Amino acid sequence: GESVGLHLPTLSVQEGDNSIINCAYSNSASDYFIWYKQESGKGPQFIIDIRSNMDKRQGQRVTVLLNKTVKHLSLQIAATQPGDSAVYFCAENSNRDDKIIFGKGTRLHILP
Amino acid sequence: DAGITQSPRHKVTETGTPVTLRCHQTENHRYMYWYRQDPGHGLRLIHYSYGVKDTDKGEVSDGYSVSRSKTEDFLLTLESATSSQTSVYFCAIGPGGDTGELFFGEGSRLTVL
Repeated sequence: GESVGLHLPTLSVQEGDNSIINCAYSNSASDYFIWYKQESGKGPQFIIDIRSNMDKRQGQRVTVLLNKTVKHLSLQIAATQPGDSAVYFCAENSNRDDKIIFGKGTRLHILP
Repeated sequence: DAGITQSPRHKVTETGTPVTLRCHQTENHRYMYWYRQDPGHGLRLIHYSYGVKDTDKGEVSDGYSVSRSKTEDFLLTLESATSSQTSVYFCAIGPGGDTGELFFGEGSRLTVL
């Protein structure tokens, strides 16, 4: 697989702690939001999504929070594990078109 | 893994030469996307397709063209490659509808000298 040496914001978290990754979006017409995880050398993988009529959605060990007032999205990972080490991207979509636009990403680094 | 393959996986070419990257899927998904990934820019959408012969521009479409003559193949062409197009290119597919879940290929690294 391919990877890119990304100069990204990095969040360092102790193994077992909770991680919170933030994302600001700019398009007020966006009504659907997705989080992706990209491990080194691989393409991004879907984690969880949320529509604008919700402000919270939970998955397995992950929770996404949406604050439309300030156009902010967050991904919370409970009990962070070494396998969570990756780059995390938020993405947005408007039902007015089929474009899925990605943010710049945050690298999550797990401390032993 | 979703049935999506990109070719070539690695290519080195010279400025001014044409380059075509191919994305092939076996999932019969309606939507196909081409992104490029560069340091400091994350993933940027180049072009996408919402059906056979139906394509549209993304965020960074200048210098790129696409074609989709059948459901399973989405081609990205650089008519005259430039050094600024050195990047890792990812193809993604998705069913559309109520989900924005995309399945990504493993990427194609293109170097333009």
